[in-house]
Amino acid sequence: KQEVTQIPAALSVPEGENLVLNCSFTDSAIYNLQWFRQDPGKGLTSLLLIQSSQREQTSGRLNASLDKSSGRSTLYIAASQPGDSATYLCAADMNRDDKIIFGKGTRLHILP
Amino acid sequence: EAQVTQNPRYLITVTGKKLTVTCSQNMNHEYMSWYRQDPGLGLRQIYYSMNVEVTDKGDVPEGYKVSRKEKRNFPLILESPSPNQTSLYFCASSTLGVNTEAFFGQGTRLTVV
Repeated sequence: KQEVTQIPAALSVPEGENLVLNCSFTDSAIYNLQWFRQDPGKGLTSLLLIQSSQREQTSGRLNASLDKSSGRSTLYIAASQPGDSATYLCAADMNRDDKIIFGKGTRLHILP
Repeated sequence: EAQVTQNPRYLITVTGKKLTVTCSQNMNHEYMSWYRQDPGLGLRQIYYSMNVEVTDKGDVPEGYKVSRKEKRNFPLILESPSPNQTSLYFCASSTLGVNTEAFFGQGTRLTVV
């Protein structure tokens, strides 16, 4: 059974720093891996999607990587800003049974 | 505007009173799904559907029903709600295939007393 783990559960960093959020998964048979942002009390906003054949995707200050063989994905945020404060979730789309398995998220707080 | 719309956004109900949470998407997506989000447990998939009249159980289907009579709509039905179904619910949709970016609704906060 696929398990998706995100470490750390919470992170506080000063504004301007670069940071990395980690996501690991136990079953490498995935269609893709997707990173989301969730603001308190709100829905999920898709940030980046990496197909199983890709190694990384970039959007603005965000860069997501995928290493299927090691079961890991990272989300790199450059030059962090207070507006980046949110919970970040990764989700693995399984090609075996079409289920999407989420990690529990990393709660990020950027200190002004 | 491409979107997934859930209704209602907030609902307080009593144990045993049947309720339906609606979900509609305007992107002609084949895949739709429901999740519940609970503190410490994260997002867990309840049911999903790969097309009209095709539904499958997710990880936590007990106590829920769904239907997919039309491509755009995927209602979540709680026939006899219980307090342990108090949660934040999300509907999502996507196309099928490897480039399946998922779009989420704004969530429905359900309280069962």
